[in-house]
Amino acid sequence: SAVISQKPSRDICQRGTSLTIQCQVDSQVTMMFWYRQQPGQSLTLIATANQGSEATYESGFVIDKFPISRPNLTFSTLTVSNMSPEDSSIYLCSVELSGETQYFGPGTRLLVL
Amino acid sequence: DAKTTQPPSMDCAEGRAANLPCNHSTISGNEYVYWYRQIHSQGPQYIIHGLKNNETNEMASLIITEDRKSSTLILPHATLRDTAVYYCIVRVAGGYSTLTFGKGTMLLVSP
Repeated sequence: SAVISQKPSRDICQRGTSLTIQCQVDSQVTMMFWYRQQPGQSLTLIATANQGSEATYESGFVIDKFPISRPNLTFSTLTVSNMSPEDSSIYLCSVELSGETQYFGPGTRLLVL
Repeated sequence: DAKTTQPPSMDCAEGRAANLPCNHSTISGNEYVYWYRQIHSQGPQYIIHGLKNNETNEMASLIITEDRKSSTLILPHATLRDTAVYYCIVRVAGGYSTLTFGKGTMLLVSP
């Protein structure tokens, strides 16, 4: 398995501002993923992030709103830009090991006022 | 990826076995069955996965029917800490394919 940490664990932000969420893993991984979980809902994939290439976004998510960086094999960031109350969610990163199993971080709980 | 169907909720008495069913009638030959659980507002936790043979690890057992159209996750001795939403997901083996989460089953373990 992998040990994954996320920062911050939670935050309260004002609308119109941006928040950058960090994801750190204790081993080198090729694939990292970012998910969103809106209140009372299941997880939805935002994008897939490979080191050294542009992130691939799912339908309904755009780079201008959710820019992602993947500078090395153990780290990634997701920025939630120009936030509105509808962005209040749990944001989760996950990593793929050996092309077979994904492991998830603890999540970042975001409340936008 | 194939679609899965799970009951929205189940109850289980502490110490008893919890048997969580999942239907995946359109599963393809190269798709695995994965189980994750999410304890309130935490990140999903990987439990187990399998292709066609039954699998067991320290957390649970996975029983897949011979036709692979359904499976059952078994928690042999449920505890209060097993209260969580359990997700059954099918995905293509290898190739770093994505996970598609449905609504899952809310398992409530009671004293």
